[in-house]
Parts: sequence; structure tokens; C-alpha cells
Amino acid sequence: SQQGEEDPQALSIQEGENATMNCSYKTSINNLQWYRQNSGRGLVHLILIRSNEREKHSGRLRVTLDTSKKSSSLLITASRAADTASYFCATDGQDSNYQLIWGAGTKLIIKP
Amino acid sequence: DVKVTQSSRYLVKRTGEKVFLECVQDMDHENMFWYRQDPGLGLRLIYFSYDVKMKEKGDIPEGYSVSREKKERFSLILESASTNQTSMYLCASGRNYGYTFGSGTRLTVV
Repeated sequence: SQQGEEDPQALSIQEGENATMNCSYKTSINNLQWYRQNSGRGLVHLILIRSNEREKHSGRLRVTLDTSKKSSSLLITASRAADTASYFCATDGQDSNYQLIWGAGTKLIIKP
Repeated sequence: DVKVTQSSRYLVKRTGEKVFLECVQDMDHENMFWYRQDPGLGLRLIYFSYDVKMKEKGDIPEGYSVSREKKERFSLILESASTNQTSMYLCASGRNYGYTFGSGTRLTVV
């Protein structure tokens, strides 16, 4: 099932700029996660933020969560060509059963 | 390094063939998942398993079956492949605080 919506669907920026992607979801959650997918490959787990957290950092990644708006954002600072990928959010809903619920993804292109 | 391994990166099969996609994980996870990914449709769950011999239908189980005889192995079976099953298939294992994915199998049915 997909409950997440991500925007933008696609984002193209210059190397060195910051990239921001947004995710909205519909139900109450335990946590929200972000994944990266390089072209033609599997997804890689980037970062998890729990429902009682508002912000989390990992290297050049910053994730925020607003449970009142049911939304999250992923900020990648000082983007590099290697950040070119699709980014997905996934939620662990309080009523889910073993499953994560996935957003549709944002395709990020970093131009050299 | 923990791993989820899918047996093939690319596969070409003929319409009507029985197709087996294999997935093996070395993390002792109870939960394993099969997704298909198509442009514009995101990740869609086909089946998942929360224990050996246990399976649950996902959102799009029609035309597929699964087998989990051992904890580390979760197989996806296309009983009679059709062209509309041409897709990227992704296996994952893990718990609700994070999944580990395989590299994917791009299946083409001709």
C-alpha cells in the first residue's frame, strides 16, 4: 500500500546546492524512514526518525518530522553528483502489520 | 556486511514459463518481502512472510505465489509468466525500523 506522497516528483539542481524533498502521509505513525535508490538497484536505508522526534541529522542529511501536519522533509546539503538517485519515504504506521508503507519517490538529479 | 541476495540481476523468460525468483538473507530476520517496481507506480507489495512457512498477500498477489521453507530464503514464483509481469522485482528483509533490500531482478517476459 502507498500512503505517502512525495514532492517534488523530480528535482534537478547544481552540484553544491541543497536539495529538499517532502513526504506526506495519512495515518498515525511509529516512525518514518528515508531510503535512496540508485538507478536499477535496490533501496538503501538512510535515516529513521521516530514519531516523538522533530529533527534528526546524519552527515549531510537532515530530516524533519511534523506529526501535526503528517509530513516530513529530507534535506541534503552541499549536494554531490553521487547523490543523484531516487529518494523514498516509508512509514511504520501504528496500525500496520509488519509492513512499511511507501511514498512514490522523488527523482533527484545533481548537475555537475 | 549484512546482505540480501537475489539470485539474478537480469532474467528473460517466455510467456507461459514458470519462473522462480530467489532471495536469501543472512541477518536472521523473521520478516521478508517481495515488491515489484514499475515506473510511475512506486513500490507495490506482492507477498510477505513473517516466519517460516507463513505468508501474507500484499497489494498485488494475483499471478504470484511464494515459498518460505527456511528462514533465510524467500522465493517468488510466477506460475505462468505473462508480459504484464515484466518489471523490477525487489526482495527485502527486516523489521519496521528498517529494511535491507537486495539489488533487484529485472525480469522481462517475451
